[in-house]
Amino acid sequence: NAGVTQTPKFRILKIGQSMTLQCAQDMNHNYMYWYRQDPGMGLKLIYYSVGAGITDKGEVPNGYNVSRSTTEDFPLRLELAAPSQTSVYFCASSFAYLGTSGGPGRSETQYFGPGTRLLVL
Amino acid sequence: QKEVEQDPGPLSVPEGAIVSLNCTYSNSAFQYFMWYRQYSRKGPELLMYTYSSGNKEDGRFTAQVDKSSKYISLFIRDSQPSDSATYLCAITSNEKLTFGTGTRLTIIP
Repeated sequence: NAGVTQTPKFRILKIGQSMTLQCAQDMNHNYMYWYRQDPGMGLKLIYYSVGAGITDKGEVPNGYNVSRSTTEDFPLRLELAAPSQTSVYFCASSFAYLGTSGGPGRSETQYFGPGTRLLVL
Repeated sequence: QKEVEQDPGPLSVPEGAIVSLNCTYSNSAFQYFMWYRQYSRKGPELLMYTYSSGNKEDGRFTAQVDKSSKYISLFIRDSQPSDSATYLCAITSNEKLTFGTGTRLTIIP
């Protein structure tokens, strides 16, 4: 198993350009996540998906879009790159048990990809 | 108040020392507690996972949870240079994790 793969590893964008960060997993996980990591700030959740066709916002979704057309792939789209989006982006996946009767679910281990370093100038 | 607080360090200790890493949290609904290790320019990887108060041991690593104080710790015994990394606590009550900011640890040979 390759686990979670991300492409590209590094990219420089000019302000206003757009790009898609690719993420794929081969573990048949239902949940997938996108995080950004800034120095001293920990990991912040951008978007997550509970399964194909279903996505939801995380803590810092502004300026990003996602789609989940298959179980395996979860691309992150930046439409108008801004310097504030300079960061390291991590994709993760996990198997999560959905809550019953409206209660919270539970996620098993999140497996992370190697990250994409993005610099917006 | 942040949901999860973690001392960012950096923390430098000599090889063989016992290391203590700590996080506090504010939401008593949190019930699953994890420690991730992140080497430089790599993605985080799970080190320890626990869901109850008390201690959980795995080799040189011990995770400790005190739900009454909302305090979690990771102890590393007989620290090795290969333990040099950033350690992130992660806490959750559902499918989404809330991460601490991470503590950068350096073990000096």
